Amino acid sequence: KAGVTQTPRYLIKTRGQQVTLSCSPISGHRSVSWYQQTPGQGLQFLFEYFSETQRNKGNFPGRFSGRQFSNSRSEMNVSTLELGDSALYLCASSLQEGSEQYFGPGTRLTVT
Amino acid sequence: DQQVKQNSPSLSVQEGRISILNCDYTNSMFDYFLWYKKYPAEGPTFLISISSIKDKNEDGRFTVFLNKSAKHLSLHIVPSQPGDSAVYFCAAIPRGGANNLFFGTGTRLTVIP
Repeated sequence: KAGVTQTPRYLIKTRGQQVTLSCSPISGHRSVSWYQQTPGQGLQFLFEYFSETQRNKGNFPGRFSGRQFSNSRSEMNVSTLELGDSALYLCASSLQEGSEQYFGPGTRLTVT
Repeated sequence: DQQVKQNSPSLSVQEGRISILNCDYTNSMFDYFLWYKKYPAEGPTFLISISSIKDKNEDGRFTVFLNKSAKHLSLHIVPSQPGDSAVYFCAAIPRGGANNLFFGTGTRLTVIP
């Protein structure tokens, strides 16, 4: 069974721009969660989608948003990029609530 | 406010010996715990998990122990192998918390051949 895939793997943007990251979950998984990893803050939860609905949200500003499609694929968007948004963005999928989450390889975003 | 803590940033162990990685948590609402292994520039790889109704779970060389009264869990790797060298994160999910994983800060394990 194919794992979680994320595109693109690397991205360089400038301040003020917006970016869209994509995630395809493991087949059959309906829950997709997004995390941000930075050296200073570690791994932090952004939001989770299940059956196209945002079920849970972390403590991030409204510039961070996401959505999920009917095929469970998910996208996250960051608008008005700031230097501090430079991070590894990880997507994870799971079969059900409260179960193991399986991570993709991540998208490395650099904001200059 | 770090609700899941890994107080040892690094650990070195000889090949063949036991590696013990520790994790403490403060939120009594956590009821499912997981360990992940991570290499640089890759996503975390799921290793093993434990529900709060258990105190031990084994999977091959990996065993996780949970002490709810102490709010402490540990991961034992026996025997340790050089390929185990990576950063290990513990994570917790609160009861009714959907899939919001709270991660610790990680412990870098180095297994010396």
